[in-house]
This record gives sequence, structure tokens and C-alpha cells, in this order.
Amino acid sequence: GEDVEQSLFLSVREGDSSVINCTYTDSSSTYLYWYKQEPGAGLQLLTYIFSNMDMKQDQRLTVLLNKKDKHLSLRIADTQTGDSAIYFCAASRSGSARQLIFGSGTQLTVLP
Amino acid sequence: DVKVTQSSRYLVKRTGEKVFLECVQDMDHENMFWYRQDPGLGLRLIYFSYDVKMKEKGDIPEGYSVSREKKERFSLILESASTNQTSMYLCAARRADQPQHFGDGTRLSIL
Repeated sequence: GEDVEQSLFLSVREGDSSVINCTYTDSSSTYLYWYKQEPGAGLQLLTYIFSNMDMKQDQRLTVLLNKKDKHLSLRIADTQTGDSAIYFCAASRSGSARQLIFGSGTQLTVLP
Repeated sequence: DVKVTQSSRYLVKRTGEKVFLECVQDMDHENMFWYRQDPGLGLRLIYFSYDVKMKEKGDIPEGYSVSREKKERFSLILESASTNQTSMYLCAARRADQPQHFGDGTRLSIL
């Protein structure tokens, strides 16, 4: 079935760049999303990319999409302690753009 | 901005109880969703709704039901709560061709 995979943990030093990676299986996914979850909170939409794009930049965030390899990445420049959170990758489900398939989430820890 | 409100942040119930989780959105969105979130498993879709009185099963509907009598409100019902339904429950709303927006979640414990 359709699947989205991400590594569970990432640690970086404050001020460095963070790169969170995600792979998905459904090549017909139209939209790909990144959400952020802070402790005890719901999911906050960070950014999303349409499948006909290969890059999107929004301030410190850069999303790269390699459609051939079905690989999505989120780069956070100048990572701050406030960026510590769980980051979820999600892909729109084939045949039903209303539904999303989520990865397991990557816990980003920013070390001082 | 879209506002999705879940009625409780924390809830403790007993095994066998009927449990209602409420979700309200303020943007007249057609689509609403209920997920559960468990460590290492990400979010899994329980039920969703495209419109009033309409519902569709997601990936893990067993033990749950839903109600959507009004467009702004989508309720998740645990018919007879069991300990394996202890989890974080997240509600989301979406307008056509827009991303899903989430509430703050309800952490439910079944004792």
C-alpha cells in the first residue's frame, strides 16, 4: 500500500542547518506537505509543494522534491532552539487528494 | 486563519464507557478528519467527512464511529472504550484544494 517514511530522530547544533528527509511510494501524489508539532500541541502547517515543482523556499525553510526518486526534504537554515519539535511529512493519497498519508515523524533536537 | 477547536485537551475515561470527542471549525470547510497519533506510527486516519451527514471510513475505523449533523462540528465516538484506544486524537479541517488545518489535539487515557 501507500507509504511515507522518515527517520525518527535528528540532532543538530544551534546555528547549523537541519535537513529532514522523507520518501514516499505513491508517484501520483499531487501535493506533499511538511507539518511541525511542538510538545503537547497539534500539527502546524509549515509548507507544501505541488508535485510539478522541484523546489520551494520560504524564509529559513527550503523544500526539495525529487519526483523520480520520490524523495522530499526539508532544510531549515540557521536552526534555533525553538525549532526543536516533531516534523511530519505527508503525501496526498492517490485517487483522493482530500486524504493524506503521514510519515512517523522526525524528532528534531537542537543542541546549544 | 482557520480555527479548529477540540473541546478537551485531556480526558480520562474508564473501560467500557461511551466517549465523545468534539471538534468545531469556524471556516465553513467541507472536509473534516479524525486521526489518532501514536509514537513511531505517525498519524492514522480513523474517519473523515466530505459534507454534513456524510462519513467515510479511514484506515483504522474499528471501535469508532462519527457524527456530522452540522457543517462546523465533527464528533468522534468511542462506542465502548478500551485501553488500546488510549492515544492522542487530532481533528483537522480542509477546504477544497487547501491544506488540512489541525486542532490542538485531545490526549485520551482509558483506564
